[in-house]
Amino acid sequence: AQKITQTQPGMFVQEKEAVTLDCTYDTSDQSYGLFWYKQPSSGEMIFLIYQGSYDEQNATEGRYSLNFQKARKSANLVISASQLGDSAMYFCAMRDYRSNDYKLSFGAGTTVTVRA
Amino acid sequence: DADVTQTPRNRITKTGKRIMLECSQTKGHDRMYWYRQDPGLGLRLIYYSFDVKDINKGEISDGYSVSRQAQAKFSLSLESAIPNQTALYFCATSDSGADTQYFGPGTRLTVL
Repeated sequence: AQKITQTQPGMFVQEKEAVTLDCTYDTSDQSYGLFWYKQPSSGEMIFLIYQGSYDEQNATEGRYSLNFQKARKSANLVISASQLGDSAMYFCAMRDYRSNDYKLSFGAGTTVTVRA
Repeated sequence: DADVTQTPRNRITKTGKRIMLECSQTKGHDRMYWYRQDPGLGLRLIYYSFDVKDINKGEISDGYSVSRQAQAKFSLSLESAIPNQTALYFCATSDSGADTQYFGPGTRLTVL
């Protein structure tokens, strides 16, 4: 069974600073995908970034980067130069490629509050 | 216009009522999903469909049913709503062979 752990229920960050959101995962499979989603207070789920287990380079998308450490089974999200609009809940998710259901397994989320 | 839309956005209903949540997408994706989100938990998969003739149960399908009316439409029904089905419901889509799922805006359902 897959399991995603996000140990930080809430974090505060100063505007323009960087913040790292932790995510560890548990799987016995070698082929999987890791995702981060943002959920602002309005409720929608916004896709941020994806990392495949065989990708050698860490994924980056604008101010978002994923610090992928396969041996440690961690996939931390780094948000650089935080903005007030980054205040939201952030979810780490994983999909096992051996599974045919394409199910995303989600962590419990981390709430980020950006202070001016 | 949004690529994935959900109706209604908010709904309050009573125990025992039948309710349908609808999802439409203009992304042209063949795969569609229904998830629910409870406070303090991430999303959990209810049902998924790879095409109009393919419907599969997710991890928490009891008490729910779905219908894939067309490639672009996937509806979720609660045959007899109960209070512990109060949650935020999301529809998502993905393209075959692609990994990323794109979510609709969510439907906030309250069962009294």
